[in-house]
Amino acid sequence: QQPVQSPQAVILREGEDAVINCSSSKALYSVHWYRQKHGEAPVFLMILLKGGEQKGHEKISASFNEKKQQSSLYLTASQLSYSGTYFCGTEFAGGTSYGKLTFGQGTILTVHP
Amino acid sequence: DVKVTQSSRYLVKRTGEKVFLECVQDMDHENMFWYRQDPGLGLRLIYFSYDVKMKEKGDIPEGYSVSREKKERFSLILESASTNQTSMYLCASSPDGWEDNEQFFGPGTRLTVL
Repeated sequence: QQPVQSPQAVILREGEDAVINCSSSKALYSVHWYRQKHGEAPVFLMILLKGGEQKGHEKISASFNEKKQQSSLYLTASQLSYSGTYFCGTEFAGGTSYGKLTFGQGTILTVHP
Repeated sequence: DVKVTQSSRYLVKRTGEKVFLECVQDMDHENMFWYRQDPGLGLRLIYFSYDVKMKEKGDIPEGYSVSREKKERFSLILESASTNQTSMYLCASSPDGWEDNEQFFGPGTRLTVL
C-alpha cells in the first residue's frame, strides 16, 4: 500500500528540469509533497486535494491525476538548493480527518553546478 | 515559529533495554505521529495519536508502544530494544481537518541498539 515513487534518483545540472512521480494502488483523497535535506527534518512543499487544482510554489509545481491515482512533482530551472530527498505522502480516500499519511520510498535529487 | 522538538538527536542503547523517545510540539496540534526512516524504505508510520490518550497503530507497530498524556507530548516506547530497531525516528504533528493539514517534523533521533 506504500505509494511507488519514480525515479529513485535523479542527477541534474543547474537550470535543468525534473519530474518526480508518485503512484498509488488505492484511491486517494490527497497527496502531500515534502523535501528533506541531508541531516534535516522533512519540510512540507504542497498538498493536492481530490478535485482540487494544480498547485504551484515558486518554480516547483505539482499535479494530481485522480483517475490514475498518481501525482507528479515538477521542478523547473533547478537550483542547487533543490537538492535533497523528495517524498510523497498519500492520504487514502474514505479515511478520517486525522491526516494519516503513507509515504513513498523517496526520490534523491542532486543538482550540480 | 512552529516547533517540534525531540528529546535526543543521538541515542545508543543495549539490546533488551527499555527506551523512551519523547516529542513535544508547541502548535496546539491535535494529531501527532511517530515514523521510522530507513534507507530505501522512506518514512514508515509506527503509531499516531489524534487526541490525548487516543492512539492508533500505523503500518509497523510491532515492538513499539506510545503514550500521550498531554496534548503537546507524544512518547514512543521500545519495551525491549532489539538491533533491528536501530533507525532514525521522526516525530511529526499536524492540525486536524481535511485541508491544510501539513505535517511538521522534528529533527529526528538516531537510535543505535547494540
